[in-house]
Amino acid sequence: EPEVTQTPSHQVTQMGQEVILRCVPISNHLYFYWYRQILGQKVEFLVSFYNNEISEKSEIFDDQFSVERPDGSNFTLKIRSTKLEDSAMYFCASSPQGLQGYGYTFGSGTRLTVV
Amino acid sequence: ILNVEQSPQSLHVQEGDSTNFTCSFPSSNFYALHWYRWETAKSPEALFVMTLNGDEKKKGRISATLNTKEGYSYLYIKGSQPEDSATYLCAPLADNDMRFGAGTRLTVKP
Repeated sequence: EPEVTQTPSHQVTQMGQEVILRCVPISNHLYFYWYRQILGQKVEFLVSFYNNEISEKSEIFDDQFSVERPDGSNFTLKIRSTKLEDSAMYFCASSPQGLQGYGYTFGSGTRLTVV
Repeated sequence: ILNVEQSPQSLHVQEGDSTNFTCSFPSSNFYALHWYRWETAKSPEALFVMTLNGDEKKKGRISATLNTKEGYSYLYIKGSQPEDSATYLCAPLADNDMRFGAGTRLTVKP
């Protein structure tokens, strides 16, 4: 069964450093998403991406965050200057269509620890 | 901001018991509701996507209903098994945006 692949599974970084979290969505999917879960809290929406541009973003997704689909297979989330409160599990997801009746396929997540 | 409430927060049942839990959401601008099953150390797995008021979906022993007018959905598990132990997340879509509830953590004791 097709999978969404995320790398690395765990990343530790120093506060203020830039990190790039990588995702390979399912190949025929068109919509891509990033979510995060801070330990003990809800899964939070960050951003959705379609047709090489952001379609929606949440209030969390400020200027420190950016997304890119550099080569038609990878979908990356960049955090420019990490803060302690960015420590969370980050999940990438993809779906064949946007809102019409398809569940999202999630990757297994990247645990980001900012020290 | 889409407020999604799931109850109860956690539930412990014996193997063989049937159980259900609730997802409440604002009914305005509703488009669809997703249910996900999330086991520890794995990624959320899609169970159902529901769009119409009165929708009922079933997958094995798990079923779900949807009331879009009053803004709630129920998830039912018949004859719970230990492998059903997981967190069940609901996620309504509205205004081009999908937000997750905090989940109901189900533990099924053998």
